[in-house]
Amino acid sequence: SQTIHQWPATLVQPVGSPLSLECTVEGTSNPNLYWYRQAAGRGLQLLFYSVGIGQISSEVPQNLSASRPQDRQFILSSKKLLLSDSGFYLCAWSGGLAGEGEQFFGPGTRLTVL
Amino acid sequence: AQSVSQHNHHVILSEAASLELGCNYSYGGTVNLFWYVQYPGQHLQLLLKYFSGDPLVKGIKGFEAEFIKSKFSFNLRKPSVQWSDTAEYFCAVIAVSGGYNKLIFGAGTRLAVHP
Repeated sequence: SQTIHQWPATLVQPVGSPLSLECTVEGTSNPNLYWYRQAAGRGLQLLFYSVGIGQISSEVPQNLSASRPQDRQFILSSKKLLLSDSGFYLCAWSGGLAGEGEQFFGPGTRLTVL
Repeated sequence: AQSVSQHNHHVILSEAASLELGCNYSYGGTVNLFWYVQYPGQHLQLLLKYFSGDPLVKGIKGFEAEFIKSKFSFNLRKPSVQWSDTAEYFCAVIAVSGGYNKLIFGAGTRLAVHP
């Protein structure tokens, strides 16, 4: 069966420090991968998606970037964190055509920027 | 731009009460519709989905939702809630328009069920 992992589960970082959040998927090949940010009372906002290795689409301009160095690995990064980057970050995957069908979510990372 | 509205941000019910959570979307074309649930401390998981066919969809744990195209709605229902239904519920819509179709989430509804 397919599983999705995210780490770390929680992270506290100072403003201006770099960020690297990792997401890996097991049990499937060539998944579509997604990064979301969940803000209280505002649902989930899609940040990035990828349909293959090295392919990244950005949904909103921001201080973050994403990379997909391997088929089942998706990384969310920042060179210098801002206070506004605090939030709950979710990784998800789906099969088939990107954007169609069910997406499966990871456990998330709670990021606090101080 | 497509959007999803969930009318109730917080709902408090007693056990055995009936539940209906509203969801409306703004897109006139073909849509795929989802309800996701996030129990405390757990992953976001799929509750039910509608792609086509019977507009009354049954999901896990006794939940169902009805797609009413004329009202652009996909309300979630359960006839008798349990304490274990305490969670946050998200309605989500994919506007199927060719190319990449983005999953748009509503703001979520926090449900608290008291014994």
